[in-house]
Amino acid sequence: AQSVTQLGSHVSVSEGALVLLRCNYSSSVPPYLFWYVQYPNQGLQLLLKYTTGATLVKGINGFEAEFKKSETSFHLTKPSAHMSDAAEYFCAVSTLGNQGGKLIFGQGTELSVKP
Amino acid sequence: KAGVTQTPRYLIKTRGQQVTLSCSPISGHRSVSWYQQTPGQGLQFLFEYFSETQRNKGNFPGRFSGRQFSNSRSEMNVSTLELGDSALYLCASSQGAQVGNTIYFGEGSWLTVV
Repeated sequence: AQSVTQLGSHVSVSEGALVLLRCNYSSSVPPYLFWYVQYPNQGLQLLLKYTTGATLVKGINGFEAEFKKSETSFHLTKPSAHMSDAAEYFCAVSTLGNQGGKLIFGQGTELSVKP
Repeated sequence: KAGVTQTPRYLIKTRGQQVTLSCSPISGHRSVSWYQQTPGQGLQFLFEYFSETQRNKGNFPGRFSGRQFSNSRSEMNVSTLELGDSALYLCASSQGAQVGNTIYFGEGSWLTVV
């Protein structure tokens, strides 16, 4: 069975500082990995995804993530935080066995950005 | 291109009633999935439909059901509502042909059970 663990339910950074949101997954088969962002009272917006190929994935709004199979990790980073990055971030996994329509989500990390 | 559209956005129901939520996927998308989001349990997968057939199912009681129509639009129904069913219900769509297809989410339907 697949699972996702996000380390830290709350992360606070200063504006301009590095953002690092941690995600570890468990999967017995090659995973497909996603990061979504949720702003208050809104749905989920895809930031980036890893399927196959290059392990460093670039997404929208300056975010990127690196798939590390040996560490079963898919951490999300952004070099310089903006106030507008304050939101909740979800890491998710999908596998071939799920035929693509099912995502397993982590518990989410709420990012706060201090001025 | 219009995104995933969910109706209604907000609703309040009484315990014991039933509710139907509607979802219109992105044009051309054949897969529609539903998720429940609560503060305590987070985001949990309910079910997924592809070409009118349920393809995946989460671990929810039979009170939760869904269907998909020939135009890919989907509805989910919750019968005999309980207080614990209060949640944000998110619909998502994708082309659905293969794993790794981007899954796009709607804004959600906020259900409050009183």
